[in-house]
Amino acid sequence: DAKTTQPPSMDCAEGRAANLPCNHSTISGNEYVYWYRQIHSQGPQYIIHGLKNNETNEMASLIITEDRKSSTLILPHATLRDTAVYYCIVRVASNNAGNMLTFGGGTRLMVKP
Amino acid sequence: SAVISQKPSRDICQRGTSLTIQCQVDSQVTMMFWYRQQPGQSLTLIATANQGSEATYESGFVIDKFPISRPNLTFSTLTVSNMSPEDSSIYLCSGVRGGTETQYFGPGTRLLVL
Repeated sequence: DAKTTQPPSMDCAEGRAANLPCNHSTISGNEYVYWYRQIHSQGPQYIIHGLKNNETNEMASLIITEDRKSSTLILPHATLRDTAVYYCIVRVASNNAGNMLTFGGGTRLMVKP
Repeated sequence: SAVISQKPSRDICQRGTSLTIQCQVDSQVTMMFWYRQQPGQSLTLIATANQGSEATYESGFVIDKFPISRPNLTFSTLTVSNMSPEDSSIYLCSGVRGGTETQYFGPGTRLLVL
């Protein structure tokens, strides 16, 4: 998997949008950008993924730059429950052996009242 | 999302003993994996659990220490053998849901070795 770079920590005010950046400058053409988060003492939770188009679901929006070398996860109205470590991972979306998620350090998001 | 459950959720064990962790997934999961998360660290892949055959281990992990079974498509076990305090971690089961190729995680088993 291509390596990703994320800031180690970020703060966000409750009710404001949280914008979490990720750099993946060596991403391959068939690799997707996945975002997961891990709330304290829980297993990682899938948030969203995309290839090159922007994506939105009930949890978040994913903005991928045109050159695909970076992306931003947007939580439109952050709540205290969104405090977690957020992981950006690039991976080929297939069921082939060896195609598992490889985790980096992630960004620790602290949502403050 | 795929449903993944683990037992036990937590345990405290004595040095030198072994613990077997069970993972049950729903039928939509195809590939299964085991991860370890040491205190304050990110997740590290231990192995891929292969149905009906030996698991595929990552560098630094060996079958004698972490024997894994996957007798059928929806069930796997990870044993932490001859435990030492350094094995104190969260152990997470994970599965890829066929069709979407999205990987999901169980709640984890928190292990403390004294």
